[in-house]
Amino acid sequence: SQQGEEDPQALSIQEGENATMNCSYKTSINNLQWYRQNSGRGLVHLILIRSNEREKHSGRLRVTLDTSKKSSSLLITASRAADTASYFCATAESGYSTLTFGKGTMLLVSP
Amino acid sequence: GAVVSQHPSWVICKSGTSVKIECRSLDFQATTMFWYRQFPKQSLMLMATSNEGSKATYEQGVEKDKFLINHASLTLSTLTVTSAHPEDSSFYICSARDRGGINEQFFGPGTRLTVL
Repeated sequence: SQQGEEDPQALSIQEGENATMNCSYKTSINNLQWYRQNSGRGLVHLILIRSNEREKHSGRLRVTLDTSKKSSSLLITASRAADTASYFCATAESGYSTLTFGKGTMLLVSP
Repeated sequence: GAVVSQHPSWVICKSGTSVKIECRSLDFQATTMFWYRQFPKQSLMLMATSNEGSKATYEQGVEKDKFLINHASLTLSTLTVTSAHPEDSSFYICSARDRGGINEQFFGPGTRLTVL
């Protein structure tokens, strides 16, 4: 299975700033999902964007999807210290039910 | 929202012993459950997909005789790490998909396995 690539690998910002993470993938997809993982914990589903959607919002989260470039971005606005976590994108390939996870971005938000 | 639990949260065992990890969907029926392994500071790697009442489908490179998966009911799947060795130490995470779900998976909190 093809793994997505996130960049940056790590991001350190101040509270109140915006954080942008990018994800690239290699295959045709049915949808792309973003997850959050606090250290040593399970994953929390943040948002799902389908292949026919270009942008989606959920609270302080904004996700874009460009299927022509096979890339997605996750924007967290007005970040908080509690947003400190690792963020993963995961793709669901067309015709397959499994998810393929990217390598993740570690976000550190300092007070 | 849909809740998935795992038991135990962490386990320490001696090399050569077997360890069973349970994954339960608490408020929905999961026709499909997934088992992932995550090494420190790395991403999740899918180990196997299990469908209720049938044999699990293992990803390439995952030994089916070492990682036994049983999905006996619509709310429970178990992963047994047989004859565990230190290299099996990892964070094991399960997820479950609702019977009516499309692609959204609900993840358990994970189980930290340390093999001495």
